[in-house]
Amino acid sequence: DQQVKQNSPSLSVQEGRISILNCDYTNSMFDYFLWYKKYPAEGPTFLISISSIKDKNEDGRFTVFLNKSAKHLSLHIVPSQPGDSAVYFCAASANGNKLVFGAGTILRVKS
Amino acid sequence: DAMVIQNPRYQVTQFGKPVTLSCSQTLNHNVMYWYQQKSSQAPKLLFHYYDKDFNNEADTPDNFQSRRPNTSFCFLDIRSPGLGDAAMYLCATSPPGGRGPETQYFGPGTRLLVL
Repeated sequence: DQQVKQNSPSLSVQEGRISILNCDYTNSMFDYFLWYKKYPAEGPTFLISISSIKDKNEDGRFTVFLNKSAKHLSLHIVPSQPGDSAVYFCAASANGNKLVFGAGTILRVKS
Repeated sequence: DAMVIQNPRYQVTQFGKPVTLSCSQTLNHNVMYWYQQKSSQAPKLLFHYYDKDFNNEADTPDNFQSRRPNTSFCFLDIRSPGLGDAAMYLCATSPPGGRGPETQYFGPGTRLLVL
């Protein structure tokens, strides 16, 4: 039972344009959502998070939007840069407990 | 630099031959996690330690065991690896207090191949 789903295995975007990565979840108990970024041969690193009491969190070029009614969140990267090319994992937790990950989306930013 | 180290980065074992993966950390974090990630799938939590308290996920096979002899080290033992256990194994740590999930630090992973 996949509680966190990233339905797009890959995404290709031109440098300077917006990248939008999507994530859906099924467990209404999730109250915290995170995005991790993973480069080849490295472990995932924390990128940005959002609490369920908010609908938007922004950090520089990265913005996460949460739509609780749709059980959907998205990560926007503006403007996209070639160095953003990586695998992006969506993750969720309930009450500060374990992380549940999505399968990841490979982002390629073309220069 | 403080970090999470996993050795080896690549491990080849034979079907049924016990194998141990290791993780060490210089962050002095009290929580350590082991995840299994199969190709194109989500990382899946196998178990975690809160200090010496071991927490097993309900669906983690008995074939997987773990040891944490001290704060810095944690081992994943696969007693009889099957072909289906070939995966990337990720170790992570998090500090006490605060928002644990936000502050999980991952190692680079060990890729296990079972022949």
